[in-house]
Amino acid sequence: NAGVTQTPKFQVLKTGQSMTLQCAQDMNHNSMYWYRQDPGMGLRLIYYSASEGTTDKGEVPNGYNVSRLNKREFSLRLESAAPSQTSVYFCASSEDGQGRVMDTQYFGPGTRLTVL
Amino acid sequence: QKEVEQNSGPLSVPEGAIASLNCTYSDRGSQSFFWYRQYSGKSPELIMSIYSNGDKEDGRFTAQLNKASQYVSLLIRDSQPSDSATYLCASKGLTGGGNKLTFGTGTQLKVEL
Repeated sequence: NAGVTQTPKFQVLKTGQSMTLQCAQDMNHNSMYWYRQDPGMGLRLIYYSASEGTTDKGEVPNGYNVSRLNKREFSLRLESAAPSQTSVYFCASSEDGQGRVMDTQYFGPGTRLTVL
Repeated sequence: QKEVEQNSGPLSVPEGAIASLNCTYSDRGSQSFFWYRQYSGKSPELIMSIYSNGDKEDGRFTAQLNKASQYVSLLIRDSQPSDSATYLCASKGLTGGGNKLTFGTGTQLKVEL
């Protein structure tokens, strides 16, 4: 099993360009998440999907959209990239869509995005 | 005020010593806690999880939880240079939805030869 995979690994955009970050998991997990990680800020939740067909905003959703394409795939779209969106983006998944206490999140390798 | 607080470090310990990493949280509704290890340029990797008061041991790692004091810690015994990484503490509770984790900013651990 590959676990959680993300594409691309690296990306450089110019201000105003758009792009979609792809995430897929092969663990049959119900819940999927998108985080960004910035120096000194820790991991911050952008959007999450508790189960197929549902998505909800996290702590920092502005400037992003998401699509839960099916149970395996959860994409993050930047419609008009800004320098403030320069960050490392992690996708994660967890088994339980019901918020079980010990439900554990597993992370993908990340996408390093630079917006010039 | 951030909901999960960690000292950013770096925390330096000699090889073979016990490393003690601490975390406090503000949401009394938090039900479970997770420690992730993150090497530079890599993704977070789960080390330990705990939801009951007291200690939980797994190999060289011990997680400690004190809900009354809103305090979580991770002890690493016989520290090795390969333990040098940033350790992220995360809490999971009912606030804002049961699936979500709130992360601290991490503590950098350096194990010196």
